[in-house]
Amino acid sequence: QVQLVESGGGVVQPGRSLRLSCAASGFTFSSYGMDWVRQAPGKGLEWVALISDDGSKKYYEDSVKGRFTISRDNSKNTLYLQMNSLRPEDTAVYYCAKDRSSTTSPGVSGMDVWGQGTTVTVSS
Amino acid sequence: SYVLTQPPSVSVAPGKTARITCVGNNIGTKSVHWYQQKPGQAPVLVIYYDSDRPSGIPERFSGSNSGNTATLTISRVEAGDEADYYCQVWDTSSDHQVFGGGTKLTVL
Repeated sequence: QVQLVESGGGVVQPGRSLRLSCAASGFTFSSYGMDWVRQAPGKGLEWVALISDDGSKKYYEDSVKGRFTISRDNSKNTLYLQMNSLRPEDTAVYYCAKDRSSTTSPGVSGMDVWGQGTTVTVSS
Repeated sequence: SYVLTQPPSVSVAPGKTARITCVGNNIGTKSVHWYQQKPGQAPVLVIYYDSDRPSGIPERFSGSNSGNTATLTISRVEAGDEADYYCQVWDTSSDHQVFGGGTKLTVL
């Protein structure tokens, strides 16, 4: 079945780095754009970053631009989020999500598969 | 940046119809997607492209989009529909995904 499994979350001090991974299975990973979306405790959904199917296009939410890097390895069916210079306000559950359509521009068709999330806590 | 505004909460009795709005400047020119999120769970896509339902989503869920308001309508509401609902668009002017603030649906 179509599945996304995130890993790599944890507790980290402000200013440090963390890399999240999202392992995909059950679909042709290399054909779909992929997003990272986060949710701070008790808050709503916040988009973080998007990468196109071939990795050539990357888009970032303004507060993470320059600190976070989205990437993918289509040979390993894995999506990544490298998070540097972490701040307490980055504390959240981080979800990876799959674009619904492989035939439209990345990001426009909705996100039809989500992982279970991995928790990142930034605290001293 | 583009902003989507949702009511924080909507309450409805079982069997009645719930309507959740999502207001944005000329949102009718964009494609709107809706997600349902139950406590402790990942979001689930319930409507895409304004009014299309993914497979497995009941026909009770429908959507519309015109002018400055998109609406998610849930007919014959059940206790299991109690959840947070989020609207979302792709903003082409900023190349950003945008989520509404979310609406908590309470079934009385």
